[in-house]
Amino acid sequence: EVQLVESGGGLVQPGRSLRLSCAASGFTFDDYAMHWVRQAPGKGLEWVSGISWNSGSIGYADSVKGRFTISRDNAKNSLYLQMNSLRAEDTALYYCANIVYGAWGQGTLVTVSS
Amino acid sequence: SYELTQPPSVSVSPGQTARITCSGDALPKKYAYWYQQKSGQAPVLVIYEDSKRPSGIPERFSGSSSGTMATLTISGAQVEDEADYYCYSTDSSGNHSGVFGTGTKVTVL
Repeated sequence: EVQLVESGGGLVQPGRSLRLSCAASGFTFDDYAMHWVRQAPGKGLEWVSGISWNSGSIGYADSVKGRFTISRDNAKNSLYLQMNSLRAEDTALYYCANIVYGAWGQGTLVTVSS
Repeated sequence: SYELTQPPSVSVSPGQTARITCSGDALPKKYAYWYQQKSGQAPVLVIYEDSKRPSGIPERFSGSSSGTMATLTISGAQVEDEADYYCYSTDSSGNHSGVFGTGTKVTVL
């Protein structure tokens, strides 16, 4: 069974940092690009960042470029998102996803508020 | 930045056909993927690589792409198909830069 489990969300003050993790199982993790996608309350899906299977190609949405860093550890079947300089507008449910395979976690909630 | 444009809403009667469009300049060169999201749930892939249907997705869901527009068609829509639908694709930069469409609320009544 394909499974993606996110962790690391929580309440954080503006300007602070948070690191999200995603543990993958049930598929050959290092065969696929992986992504972070977020959804603010009552809003649509927003692609945040993606990373190729070997970390050789990485992309970011303009809204997070320079503040967020995506990484992966294929030996641990894990995906990460380091989020710095957080803003109120980063408040959202953050999903780890293998978009082309159709595998998503249940999300981890990040709330940025003082 | 790259954008994919969808109509905000589509309404259809049960048993009728719903068509949802997704417009983007890179679609002639890049695949479109379609996701269904019901309230409070994670998205579910219903179409990949423009027109392929994952196992377990009903045959009433189909996809096509021509030029700068991709289309998701629900033939014989059911009440349970009421949901938000998002297209997804990538830009032409080659940097694994993705984008979701603006989303379409499908109402079946």
